[in-house]
Amino acid sequence: EAEVAQSPRYKITEKSQAVAFWCDPISGHATLYWYRQILGQGPELLVQFQDESVVDDSQLPKDRFSAERLKGVDSTLKIQPAELGDSAMYLCASSPELAKNIQYFGAGTRLSVL
Amino acid sequence: AQSVTQPDIHITVSEGASLELRCNYSYGATPYLFWYVQSPGQGLQLLLKYFSGDTLVQGIKGFEAEFKRSQSSFNLRKPSVHWSDAAEYFCAVGAGNTDKLIFGTGTRLQVFP
Repeated sequence: EAEVAQSPRYKITEKSQAVAFWCDPISGHATLYWYRQILGQGPELLVQFQDESVVDDSQLPKDRFSAERLKGVDSTLKIQPAELGDSAMYLCASSPELAKNIQYFGAGTRLSVL
Repeated sequence: AQSVTQPDIHITVSEGASLELRCNYSYGATPYLFWYVQSPGQGLQLLLKYFSGDTLVQGIKGFEAEFKRSQSSFNLRKPSVHWSDAAEYFCAVGAGNTDKLIFGTGTRLQVFP
């Protein structure tokens, strides 16, 4: 069964350092999402891509966060510099063109900022 | 604005007992509704979804949910809980004209033998 791949699974960094997360969606899924999930809360959308274009990044803290999906396939989310409040689970999801409301999630990257 | 409320932060049940997790939503039109489950340290797995039609929907792992427009609710049920059902459960609402999902804060389910 096809899955959304994310790496790394865990990342520990010190504040002010740069971190990057990678996501490979299910093959053929044009829409890709990055969510942030703070402990004890539900996921919140950071950015949504349709192919290589950003559809929604209204909740992305653009002073420190950036996201790209250069070839419309895999994607990278970067934080620079990381702050203590960035500690969270970062989830990637993808959805097929004909069923855009059905999102398939990866296992996530757990970020700890010390 | 769309919103989702899961009133129960934490629920504990005995194995074999029935389960109902509550979800209330706020949305002006007919919403798309979802239940996801998240095991510790894992991503979210889709349990079931409601788009239209029959208001009682069946999902995976023996779960079902009922859409009640008059109560703005979409409660998740299971007649007999298994120890492996212990996890975090999230209700989500999606707008009809967009694929953005709004999640509730989740309900943590503990199952005692």
